[in-house]
Amino acid sequence: DGGITQSPKYLFRKEGQNVTLSCEQNLNHDAMYWYRQDPGQGLRLIYYSQIVNDFQKGDIAEGYSVSREKKESFPLTVTSAQKNPTAFYLCASSKQATNQPQHFGDGTRLSIL
Amino acid sequence: GENVEQHPSTLSVQEGDSAVIKCTYSDSASNYFPWYKQELGKGPQLIIDIRSNVGEKKDQRIAVTLNKTAKHFSLHITETQPEDSAVYFCAANTNAGKSTFGDGTTLTVKP
Repeated sequence: DGGITQSPKYLFRKEGQNVTLSCEQNLNHDAMYWYRQDPGQGLRLIYYSQIVNDFQKGDIAEGYSVSREKKESFPLTVTSAQKNPTAFYLCASSKQATNQPQHFGDGTRLSIL
Repeated sequence: GENVEQHPSTLSVQEGDSAVIKCTYSDSASNYFPWYKQELGKGPQLIIDIRSNVGEKKDQRIAVTLNKTAKHFSLHITETQPEDSAVYFCAANTNAGKSTFGDGTTLTVKP
């Protein structure tokens, strides 16, 4: 079955550590996205990529970094510069960047120890 | 940039009743409006979408209406069932490729 896979489902970070969240899709989608979801709030865009080896900052990119070396993969690194990293992180992909529905993974919940 | 407001934030209905969720957007360039349903611990899933050249779209018990002049669009769920209980998000897309999401509506359908 085609889909988008995020791992791990739960992740714990110590203060001062960087952590990387995995996102893989086998839908042959060009565009991929990372969102942050806080309780009672909508999805806020962190980074997005419309094509391999290219990505753009979203609305809340500070303290995060990404790479897009392969079409299938779009990992997100939460750096120690992100002071409030506890949240639910969602990865999505779409056929094109414009006017197409996004397909979401089931998320990674990141907590600080 | 685009701003999307969604109302109400919570909605409770009796099984069999209808539910309506409304969204407004600010950017007149927005031309694609998807609706997503998110169940607990899962990622959002598309349930219906509408493009700016259409005023209404229906899929079984779910319908979406769009008023471009007023910049608002609405989700209508008829004959609600307990399994419709979830968080619903509206979104607006421009040709720049970014989606701006509303803050979500928690729908509870009481049996």
